[in-house]
Amino acid sequence: AQSVTQLDSHVSVSEGTPVLLRCNYSSSYSPSLFWYVQHPNKGLQLLLKYTSAATLVKGINGFEAEFKKSETSFHLTKPSAHMSDAAEYFCVVSDPGNQFYFGTGTSLTVIP
Amino acid sequence: DGGITQSPKYLFRKEGQNVTLSCEQNLNHDAMYWYRQDPGQGLRLIYYSQIVNDFQKGDIAEGYSVSREKKESFPLTVTSAQKNPTAFYLCASSIVGLAGLYNEQFFGPGTRLTVL
Repeated sequence: AQSVTQLDSHVSVSEGTPVLLRCNYSSSYSPSLFWYVQHPNKGLQLLLKYTSAATLVKGINGFEAEFKKSETSFHLTKPSAHMSDAAEYFCVVSDPGNQFYFGTGTSLTVIP
Repeated sequence: DGGITQSPKYLFRKEGQNVTLSCEQNLNHDAMYWYRQDPGQGLRLIYYSQIVNDFQKGDIAEGYSVSREKKESFPLTVTSAQKNPTAFYLCASSIVGLAGLYNEQFFGPGTRLTVL
């Protein structure tokens, strides 16, 4: 069975400091993992995805994530937060049947 | 310009009415999905379809219905049987990948439904 746990429902960082959003997954298969961002009253936008080609995945807007199989983790990071990064972030795992399993989301606040 | 469109952006419904939310995609994707989003609960799957004229219930299908008569369209009807329909509704689509080749979902901008 597939599932995702986002370990923090809310994260606050100061502008210019690093961002870490944590995600652990459970999968019966070699997983395909995604991070999405959602701004208020908008749809979800793909930040990055892991599909086994490389363990360190670079995405848009300076975000990256590292796949660690031994820890079943796929944490999202960014070296320096920007005000425009304030949003809801979702970690997602999919299975070969084209089903997608969402975490409950992490709300990121960036303090000026 | 490829993508997914949802309409309307805002929708108001009186109790006892059925309403239909539109979702159209021009990405030539086989799979389409409907999700409901409530504050603090992430996304919950209502229905999905991987081929025309076929669809499956998701986790919270009660009170909802869908159709898939065309590849590019997947409308969602919220019926009067749905007891608490006020929520943000998101439509998504994806390629149906080969085994081991997983593809991401693309999302529409959402429809906010409010029951008056």
